[in-house]
Amino acid sequence: NAGVTQTPKFQVLKTGQSMTLQCAQDMNHEYMSWYRQDPGMGLRLIHYSVGAGITDQGEVPNGYNVSRSTTEDFPLRLLSAAPSQTSVYFCASRFSVGTDTQYFGPGTRLTVL
Amino acid sequence: QQQVKQSPQSLIVQKGGISIINCAYENTAFDYFPWYQQFPGKGPALLIAIRPDVSEKKEGRFTISFNKSAKQFSLHIMDSQPGDSATYFCAASPSNTGKLIFGQGTTLQVKP
Repeated sequence: NAGVTQTPKFQVLKTGQSMTLQCAQDMNHEYMSWYRQDPGMGLRLIHYSVGAGITDQGEVPNGYNVSRSTTEDFPLRLLSAAPSQTSVYFCASRFSVGTDTQYFGPGTRLTVL
Repeated sequence: QQQVKQSPQSLIVQKGGISIINCAYENTAFDYFPWYQQFPGKGPALLIAIRPDVSEKKEGRFTISFNKSAKQFSLHIMDSQPGDSATYFCAASPSNTGKLIFGQGTTLQVKP
């Protein structure tokens, strides 16, 4: 198993550009989520999904969209990038809402100029 | 507001010493308290976790102590090693939501 994979590893955007951060898992996990990590802030939940076709907002959803058309993939879309979205983004998955262990991907470092 | 408060922000310990990181929470609906370890350039990885029905959980050199009445929990790393140098995050989760609320993180450096 590859676990949770994320692409790209690094990305630089200009203000106003859009892009999609990719996340995939091969563990047949129902639950997937996106976090952003900022210095001194820990990790904050952006959006999550409890299964294909079902998504919901986390703590900091503004400026981000998600969709879940398959169990494996959970892309995060930045509609119009802003410097405040400069961060490291982590995708995570777990077997289901009720299971404990959550697996994180390696992260995408995004810089918005 | 920060629902999970973690301290200290950074910690330096000599090899063989005990590292202690503390967390406090406010929401009594939290019922799952994991600790994650993160090495530079990597994603966080689950280290150890506890539920409120026990006051302590030990796995090797890592121990969680949990005080439900004080709404506090802590991570103790015994016989700290240079390989333990990493950032540690506490977290808390409300029952059956899958959501994790993270503390701010503690950067641990273990000196040889």
